[in-house]
Amino acid sequence: NAGVTQTPKFRILKIGQSMTLQCTQDMNHNYMYWYRQDPGMGLKLIYYSVGAGITDKGEVPNGYNVSRSTTEDFPLRLELAAPSQTSVYFCASSWDRRIAEAFFGQGTRLTVV
Amino acid sequence: SQELEQSPQSLIVQEGKNLTINCTSSKTLYGLYWYKQKYGEGLIFLMMLQKGGEEKSHEKITAKLDEKKQQSSLHITASQPSHAGIYLCGAETKTGANNLFFGTGTRLTVIP
Repeated sequence: NAGVTQTPKFRILKIGQSMTLQCTQDMNHNYMYWYRQDPGMGLKLIYYSVGAGITDKGEVPNGYNVSRSTTEDFPLRLELAAPSQTSVYFCASSWDRRIAEAFFGQGTRLTVV
Repeated sequence: SQELEQSPQSLIVQEGKNLTINCTSSKTLYGLYWYKQKYGEGLIFLMMLQKGGEEKSHEKITAKLDEKKQQSSLHITASQPSHAGIYLCGAETKTGANNLFFGTGTRLTVIP
């Protein structure tokens, strides 16, 4: 049982480039989330989804886009990378709307230079 | 403004020693969760506390919730190197929220 899988694990982007962070889960969870983790700032919610075809903004959605065409996949898109988006990104999924017992991916460390 | 404050930010202890990590909320808590994170890995759910005065234990880790003080503490007894990592508290500050606010984390190092 793979759980939540994120790819890539590391990436360096130049300012203005775009990329997609992939997230897939094999637990048939309806709820999926994208967080970013900045040093000393804790985790902040970027976007979340309560099911296929349904997404909503979190605390810090600017500069990101998401889609949820299937239950399994929840990719996060950065269109014009900026240094402020240097962070570690975590994807998570859960059965319930309360993320408390969510399963987290291993994270993607992104550096924008 | 940061809604959840954790203290200390980092902690270095000798193996076998006890330690406590605190998490304080600036808002009313509707649920408090503790996670552990190892470098390069995702978050691992440890415990969830929902009621004032509630206390839960898992192996040598005990968490308590003081609802009136809007605070939770995580206590590790007889620490081991396997306890090393970053401990994060997360809280729901309103019911029905599809989000958790996370603390800033406490980095624990256990010296053998």
